[in-house]
Amino acid sequence: DQQVKQNSPSLSVQEGRISILNCDYTNSMFDYFLWYKKYPAEGPTFLISISSIKDKNEDGRFTVFLNKSAKHLSLHIVPSQPGDSAVYFCAACNTDKLIFGTGTRLQVFP
Amino acid sequence: NAGVTQTPKFQVLKTGQSMTLQCAQDMNHEYMSWYRQDPGMGLRLIHYSVGAGITDQGEVPNGYNVSRSTTEDFPLRLLSAAPSQTSVYFCASSTQGNTEAFFGQGTRLTVV
Repeated sequence: DQQVKQNSPSLSVQEGRISILNCDYTNSMFDYFLWYKKYPAEGPTFLISISSIKDKNEDGRFTVFLNKSAKHLSLHIVPSQPGDSAVYFCAACNTDKLIFGTGTRLQVFP
Repeated sequence: NAGVTQTPKFQVLKTGQSMTLQCAQDMNHEYMSWYRQDPGMGLRLIHYSVGAGITDQGEVPNGYNVSRSTTEDFPLRLLSAAPSQTSVYFCASSTQGNTEAFFGQGTRLTVV
């Protein structure tokens, strides 16, 4: 049973526009959420995180929103750049377990 | 700045063979974990450790063993390889379970 779900396997966005990646979770005990970015043949790298006591966290072009009542988080990238093309994973933490979603492949085209 | 080092990068095994995937980190992180990445399945947690001498099961632990005798090392053992274990394996470390995890470059394992 997938506790963290990313229902869009892929997303294509024009350079300069906003990219919105979505993530849903089922376990209300998750108290920390993270986004990772992965390029081919590399390990995932940390992008941004948010605690369950917050509903928004910004870092430059990246903003993560958390809606606890809907068990939903999203990552906004503004403006999108070609170098943002990668697979994005959301992850949720419950005690010491970090559970990942299935990933969304973002392609930013010129 | 080595970070998290995984060896080997590639491996081909025959069904029934055993092997150990190595993972070492030089950041003095207490928390280490193993994931496998499969198409359409994302990253699934195999085993994790919150410190030397302590390990626990993740989402997909069957067929794998781990031990944590030192803070630096967290090897993953495949006892009797099966084709279903063909995957890319990632090791990660962090200061705690709910903080930024640093990942290794991955080991691509093929079981034939």
